[in-house]
This record gives sequence, C-alpha cells and structure tokens, in this order.
Amino acid sequence: DAGVTQSPTHLIKTRGQQVTLRCSPKSGHDTVSWYQQALGQGPQFIFQYYEEEERQRGNFPDRFSGHQFPNYSSELNVNALLLGDSALYLCASSLGGSSSYEQYFGPGTRLTVT
Amino acid sequence: AQSVSQHNHHVILSEAASLELGCNYSYGGTVNLFWYVQYPGQHLQLLLKYFSGDPLVKGIKGFEAEFIKSKFSFNLRKPSVQWSDTAEYFCAVSTDSWGKLQFGAGTQVVVTP
Repeated sequence: DAGVTQSPTHLIKTRGQQVTLRCSPKSGHDTVSWYQQALGQGPQFIFQYYEEEERQRGNFPDRFSGHQFPNYSSELNVNALLLGDSALYLCASSLGGSSSYEQYFGPGTRLTVT
Repeated sequence: AQSVSQHNHHVILSEAASLELGCNYSYGGTVNLFWYVQYPGQHLQLLLKYFSGDPLVKGIKGFEAEFIKSKFSFNLRKPSVQWSDTAEYFCAVSTDSWGKLQFGAGTQVVVTP
C-alpha cells in the first residue's frame, strides 16, 4: 500500500519563474492538504482540496494555486516565485477531510528559489 | 489570531532520561490536538492525538500527552528515552471539522548514547 508520494524531490528555480509540484494521496484517501515548511519552522497550511475543489485556504497569496484531479491526486502551482518561497512543501492526505481522521504526510518537495 | 507555541527549540538529553516537551495553544473553543514526529530522513508521522475524553492519551513508542484545558496545554512526555527518539517533534492543533492543522515551530530532540 503506497503512502503519500510527491514529485519532484528537489527543485531549483529562478525568481519570477513558475513551479508545479505534484502529490499522490495514500490509497483510499480523497482529501489533499498542502503545507509550506520554511527552514526552522513548523509547517504552514496553504490549502485543502476535496472533491476537486479548494475547500479552505490559509494565509497565502493568490500566487499559490492548486488543483485536484478525479483520481484525487493534486498539484500545487506557485507563480512569480520569490526568494521567500524557498521551503519544503508537504502534501498530506486524509479521508473525507475530517479532523477525525489522521493526515498522512508525504516526504515533501524541497524548492529552492535563486 | 490562533497560535501554537512550543517551549523549547532544542533539547539534548541522555538515554534513559525522561522527556517532557511543552505545547500551548491560543484558542478558546473546541480543539483537536496532535503530536507529530519527524525522524531523520523520514516523513512526518503521527505520535498521538486528543479529540475528547480522557485527557491523558497514549501514543506509539511509549509516548503520552496530557491535555490540560485550563492551561491550554498539551505536553508530551516519555519516561525513558532511547537514542532512536532523536527527532523533531511538532505540536499541532485543529480547530475546524476539516482537519486543517496549525503547527508549532517544532522541538529538535537529540538523545545521546
């Protein structure tokens, strides 16, 4: 049973560019949440997708957008990259997006913006 | 604004010592509380969680945590640590029904042999 997978593992981009990160949820899960973890900090909630719609969003600008596909996989897009976007991006999946169910985290994508 | 505070950023202790990590949150309503752990090179994984009922919850690997509502605290404890407990520990709070997690900054724990 595959857990949460993310791709790519590492990514280096230049300021102003755009990036797409991908996430496949744990088998049987239908909800995907994205988090940004800057160095030395805890993960910060970006948004959550359920039934292919953004259900809730954290305090991130519109440069951060996402998508969920019918197979429940998800993408995180960041436009007009800033140096401050350098971070580990974590995807977490759960069932039904309820707090009653454990969220399973992927290994993350390390994004470096130069 | 809601916040989650972890008292220590780094803790170094010897094997067999007892561990207690503090976590406080600022939210007056109903909360679900979690401790996650990230071992070196591994994913974040759930250690334990509290939703309701007995305020003393037990998790994996001998960890336990106590919810004290009056103190807005959810401290993590382990009576006797092992070298394999070296990891970063995160306290997290969920205040809605959809499971959005708000994390503390984390505590890096190093257990020396």
